[in-house]
Parts: sequence; C-alpha cells; structure tokens
Amino acid sequence: EPEVTQTPSHQVTQMGQEVILRCVPISNHLYFYWYRQILGQKVEFLVSFYNNEISEKSEIFDDQFSVERPDGSNFTLKIRSTKLEDSAMYFCASWTGGQETQYFGPGTRLLVL
Amino acid sequence: AQSVTQPDIHITVSEGASLELRCNYSYGATPYLFWYVQSPGQGLQLLLKYFSGDTLVQGIKGFEAEFKRSQSSFNLRKPSVHWSDAAEYFCAVGGRSNDYKLSFGAGTTVTVRA
Repeated sequence: EPEVTQTPSHQVTQMGQEVILRCVPISNHLYFYWYRQILGQKVEFLVSFYNNEISEKSEIFDDQFSVERPDGSNFTLKIRSTKLEDSAMYFCASWTGGQETQYFGPGTRLLVL
Repeated sequence: AQSVTQPDIHITVSEGASLELRCNYSYGATPYLFWYVQSPGQGLQLLLKYFSGDTLVQGIKGFEAEFKRSQSSFNLRKPSVHWSDAAEYFCAVGGRSNDYKLSFGAGTTVTVRA
C-alpha cells in the first residue's frame, strides 16, 4: 500500500520563528496539497500544487506561507514567521487525478508558543 | 463554491445499535464524495469513497454510504456499532473542476455506550 509520509510528526516553535514541514508524496502522483486542522475543528484546505506551481490557495494561505517541491520528491510547506494561531495539525496529501483516492499523510502537529 | 454540512455535531449510540451520519454537500459539478474517520490525535483514515456508478458504496469496517443526487446527500451507515467505532467522522467533497481539492464538513463525534 503506497503512503504519504510527513516529517516531523511534532514540532514546537517560538512565535515569529520560521518552520518547514516536509512531506514525501506518493511517487507517481501529480497533485499535491496541504490542509490544516486546528484542534477540535474541521480540516481546512490551504493550497494545491500541480505542474510545479500553485493551482489554488485558500484565504488562510497568506504571504507567510509558501510551498515548494525542491527535488521532485519532497513537498514542503514553509511558514515564515509563525503566529500562535498557526498551531494546528498539518496534513499533506497527494492524488494521481481521476477516480482515485487522495492519500493523506499522518500529519505534523505544530505548536507555536 | 463547494461545501459540506454535517448537521449532527455529536451522536451517542449503544453498542450493537445502528448508526447513521448525515452529510449534505454543495458542489457545482459531478462530486467526488468521501467519508473519513479520525481518532483523537490521529490522522485521517478513509472509510469509503464515491466517484460514479452504483450509488450505494461499501467501505471498510462494515460501513456503507448512499449517494443521493436529488438530495445532495451522502449519508454514512453502519448496521451494528462496535465500541471501537467511537471517533470523529468527516464527510468531504471534491472533484475535477477545482483540481480535486477537498472541502470537509465540521465533523460528527460518535460516542458508543456499552
């Protein structure tokens, strides 16, 4: 069974610091996503990435956020200057397209102090 | 715009009883529909999905869901609940028209009493 992996599983950071969350999507997938889930709330879409560029982003995904696929395998989410309200579980996902399942990673729990 | 409504925030059910979780969606084209389950502090596990074809879909752990286009619904059912089914359940919608991004409902927490 193919799987999406994410590192780290947990990260604690100080407000104002930069964090990079890493994901390794499934190798033949074409679409990549980041979602977040604030504790006790629903899962929210942040950004989708296709053909080496952002295809859609939500209102949450402001200038403090960026995504990259630096080497054809990793897919990263960077938060430039973290805020307390960025504390959440961040999920990476990937999809081949078509009638296939979107696979989610196990998540990175980010805590901003 | 796409969205999902899960009308029930919390459902309590006795072990062995049947369970039905409601999901209504809004989507401008042919929807892809999903149910995920999440235990506390854990990731999302896919229970079942609907893309096309038979409107009654079977999933893992004995769950099934029925797609009703006329009602814009995709309700999840299980005939006999086990204590291990206590978790949070999320319905999600996506599709080709927006690069398959998923919109999730607010979730329904299921408590199973002995």
